[in-house]
Amino acid sequence: DGGITQSPKYLFRKEGQNVTLSCEQNLNHDAMYWYRQDPGQGLRLIYYSQIVNDFQKGDIAEGYSVSREKKESFPLTVTSAQKNPTAFYLCASSTTGGVSGANVLTFGAGSRLTVL
Amino acid sequence: AQSVAQPEDQVNVAEGNPLTVKCTYSVSGNPYLFWYVQYPNRGLQFLLKYITGDNLVKGSYGFEAEFNKSQTSFHLKKPSALVSDSALYFCAVRPTGGRRALTFGSGTRLQVQP
Repeated sequence: DGGITQSPKYLFRKEGQNVTLSCEQNLNHDAMYWYRQDPGQGLRLIYYSQIVNDFQKGDIAEGYSVSREKKESFPLTVTSAQKNPTAFYLCASSTTGGVSGANVLTFGAGSRLTVL
Repeated sequence: AQSVAQPEDQVNVAEGNPLTVKCTYSVSGNPYLFWYVQYPNRGLQFLLKYITGDNLVKGSYGFEAEFNKSQTSFHLKKPSALVSDSALYFCAVRPTGGRRALTFGSGTRLQVQP
């Protein structure tokens, strides 16, 4: 079945450590996105990528980094510079061609990061 | 910059009654508008979208939404609520030009009582 796989589902980190969240899709989608979800704040955009080897900062990119070396993969690194990293992280993908398909996001099941 | 407001943190409705979840938006130019639903500890699922054309949009699971340009609103509705509709609902917007990523509202929790 086509979809998005995020791993790990749960992750615990000590302060000062970098961690990388994995996101893989087999939907042949060009665009991929990372959102952060906090209670009462909805989803906030961290980074997005419309094509391989290119990505743009979202609204809360500070303390995060990404890469897009393959169409299927869009890993997110939460660095020690992120002051409040405890959150639920959601990866999504979409097509980019045409109005009707663009931005109908398919989401992964999420990764919950807790900083101890 | 675009933004979305969902003024109600929670909406309570009895099963069988109609439901409305409110959304207003701010965007430069014409909007693309979306509703997504989230069940506990899961990702979001697409419900419906407005791109252009008919202001009343029908989506999955009997949901519909009405685009009102003058009021910059896109309220989600369903004629008869089910207990299984209980979930977290998000409205999202994207301008037709500009940043090609969705901006989401803060979410509204819908609780349907049996």
